[in-house]
Amino acid sequence: AQTVTQSQPEMSVQEAETVTLSCTYDTSESDYYLFWYKQPPSRQMILVIRQEAYKQQNATENRFSVNFQKAAKSFSLKISDSQLGDAAMYFCASSEYSGGGADGLTFGKGTHLIIQP
Amino acid sequence: GAGVSQSPRYKVAKRGQDVALRCDPISGHVSLFWYQQALGQGPEFLTYFQNEAQLDKSGLPSDRFFAERPEGSVSTLKIQRTQQEDSAVYLCASSLIRRSQETQYFGPGTRLLVL
Repeated sequence: AQTVTQSQPEMSVQEAETVTLSCTYDTSESDYYLFWYKQPPSRQMILVIRQEAYKQQNATENRFSVNFQKAAKSFSLKISDSQLGDAAMYFCASSEYSGGGADGLTFGKGTHLIIQP
Repeated sequence: GAGVSQSPRYKVAKRGQDVALRCDPISGHVSLFWYQQALGQGPEFLTYFQNEAQLDKSGLPSDRFFAERPEGSVSTLKIQRTQQEDSAVYLCASSLIRRSQETQYFGPGTRLLVL
């Protein structure tokens, strides 16, 4: 069984600054995938970034990047040049490869990100 | 379609009432997932369909919860004899193919309040 832990219920950052959201996970599988999803107040969840566990290189999507530490089972999200539109709940999630294909995502409890203008 | 849609967006039910929540996935998406999101929590997996086949229902909290996707497109989550603890946002997600790394596209959710 997978578990995902987000220890920061809320984070605040000044506009244009950089913020890092923490996530740790636990899995018994060697093949798995990690995700960060963003849920704005309108509640439609959207994918921010994805990391394959077998890849050493950290994923990057524009201002968003991850620090994937496989041995420590840590998967943090860094947001550079924070913008007002980044304000949202951020969920870390994992998906194990079961051989049969798609499984449901396991989510953390989320981090509420506040952007101070 | 443009995205995953869900209806109704809000539902108020009296305790003991049956409810049906609908999900329209993105056209052509094979995989469909239902999640339950309690207030202040992350979503929790309920069930998964590949086309019309329900391949995983391990997350359904009780036998009062039932989901179907008879033609492999639209899905309905039914809750019988609703209880107050069923109050939550129910999210539907779809993905193009059945692979763990595939992006899941989420709908806006149905907020269910059981009085």
